[in-house]
Amino acid sequence: NAGVTQTPKFQVLKTGQSMTLQCAQDMNHEYMSWYRQDPGMGLRLIHYSVGAGITDQGEVPNGYNVSRSTTEDFPLRLLSAAPSQTSVYFCASSDLTGTGDNEQFFGPGTRLTVL
Amino acid sequence: KNEVEQSPQNLTAQEGEFITINCSYSVGISALHWLQQHPGGGIVSLFMLSSGKKKHGRLIATINIQEKHSSLHITASHPRDSAVYICAVHSGGGADGLTFGKGTHLIIQP
Repeated sequence: NAGVTQTPKFQVLKTGQSMTLQCAQDMNHEYMSWYRQDPGMGLRLIHYSVGAGITDQGEVPNGYNVSRSTTEDFPLRLLSAAPSQTSVYFCASSDLTGTGDNEQFFGPGTRLTVL
Repeated sequence: KNEVEQSPQNLTAQEGEFITINCSYSVGISALHWLQQHPGGGIVSLFMLSSGKKKHGRLIATINIQEKHSSLHITASHPRDSAVYICAVHSGGGADGLTFGKGTHLIIQP
């Protein structure tokens, strides 16, 4: 199994540009989530999904969209990038509904810089 | 919202020392996770606890539900243990993800 994969590993954008961060998992996990990690702060939840066709907002959803058309894929879209979105983004997945009682599997991260 | 505090923020120790990292949280939880993040960024799950104690190799994790506190211990520490250790909790009742501590940056010197 490849586990959780993310692309790209690095990305530089200009303010106002849009892009999609890709996340895929091959473990048939129902629960997938996106976090951002900023210096001096813990990881914060952006959006999550409990299955195909179902998504919901986390703690810091503004400026981001998600969709879940398949169990495997959970892309994160930045509609109009802002310097405040400069961060490292992690995708994670787990069994069942991600109630926290299941092991979390993380992708390798995407380091995004917005100029 | 659960508040998760870790201590210490930074820890430098000599190879072979016994290491303790602490995590406290403010609201009752359904599970607590200990994660490891190496330089280069990847995050790996070490333990998931809802009660008691777990051991894996030189790593031991304990949790006291009544005191809302967990500890991660490393015995016979080694330079390869150098990493950021992150505590995360789930308060239960829904699929709304984890709340993370800011992490403890551990350096083990040879």
